[in-house]
Parts: sequence; structure tokens; C-alpha cells
Amino acid sequence: KQEVTQIPAALSVPEGENLVLNCSFTDSAIYNLQWFRQDPGKGLTSLLLIQSSQREQTSGRLNASLDKSSGRSTLYIAASQPGDSATYLCAVGNTNAGKSTFGDGTTLTVKP
Amino acid sequence: NAGVTQTPKFRVLKTGQSMTLLCAQDMNHEYMYWYRQDPGMGLRLIHYSVGEGTTAKGEVPDGYNVSRLKKQNFLLGLESAAPSQTSVYFCASSTVPDQPQHFGDGTRLSIL
Repeated sequence: KQEVTQIPAALSVPEGENLVLNCSFTDSAIYNLQWFRQDPGKGLTSLLLIQSSQREQTSGRLNASLDKSSGRSTLYIAASQPGDSATYLCAVGNTNAGKSTFGDGTTLTVKP
Repeated sequence: NAGVTQTPKFRVLKTGQSMTLLCAQDMNHEYMYWYRQDPGMGLRLIHYSVGEGTTAKGEVPDGYNVSRLKKQNFLLGLESAAPSQTSVYFCASSTVPDQPQHFGDGTRLSIL
């Protein structure tokens, strides 16, 4: 059974800092990996999706990497802003039917 | 630009009552999913559908039923609600599994 772990559970940084969020998974036979953002009381918004054949994806200040062999993915956020404050979740796609295993998330606070 | 709409947004039930949660998407997506989100347990897949008229069990299907009679709608039913089903329920959809999932804002359900 796939298990997904996100460490740390919470992170607080000053505005402008570059930061890395971590996601690890136990079964390397994945279909894809997605990073989501969740604001309080809201649903999830997809940030980046990496296919199993890819090593990284970039969108603006965000860069996600994938290392299947070591069971790890990282989400790099450059020049953090208070508006980046949210919970970030990674989801490992296990099959081609879209079934995913989610981590518990890292709650990020960016202080002005 | 509605995307994925969930109704109702909040509901309080008594143990043993039944109800149906509605998910509607206007993006012509084939795949639809129902998740529950509980503190410390992440998002867990309840049921999913790979197209109109199809449904399949996810990780935690017991106590729930689903129907996908129309492509745009995915219904989640609780026949006899139990306190353990108190949770936030999210619906999501995607075109194909290797495309990002789009989430609704959730239904907050409390069962007394």
C-alpha cells in the first residue's frame, strides 16, 4: 500500500525567502505526482503535475522535482510572499484510473 | 466559470438519517472522484467514476453509495449516517488521469 509523507507538518518563513517542501512515497511504481495548494475552508487547487517519465515541472516561482528511485518529490518556492501562505499537499497517482494517495500536507506561513 | 460545484456546503444530520451530496462539473470531464478529508488522515478516496454510468470503489467505500447517471453529475449517498462519517467531503474531476484534478470547495458534514 502506497504511503505518502510530508515533512515538516508546518513551516514559517519570512517574506522573500526561498523554501523547499518535501514529499516522500514508499512505492516507486507511480503514474504521476501532483502538488496542490489548499486555502482554509476551500478545496484544492492543482499547482503542478509531474508525469512518471518526467523529472521536473515549473510554473512561475514554483518548481517541482520527482525522483522515483528514491521515492521523493520536492516543491521549491522562490521569493516567498504572504499570499503563498496555505497548506501544500502532494498526491501520488498510483494507477491510470486517477486513483491517488495524498500526504497530510505542509502548512506554510509566510510572514511579512 | 463554475468548474466543480458541490451542494450543499454545510449540513448537520442525526445518526441514522440519509442524505445525498451532489457534485456537478461543467468541464465535460470523464473522471470524477469523491474524497473525504479528516484531520491527520489526509484525503482518502471514497468512490470514483471513469465515465457516465460507471462507478468503482476507492479506499474507504463502506457506508457510501454513488451514482453517475449523467456525465456532469456524481452523487454521493449516505444511507444511514454514522458519527464516524463526520468529515469534509470533496468532489474532483479530470479529463483523463494524467491531467490535473479540479476540486470543488467541499461539503462540511456533521453527524450527531
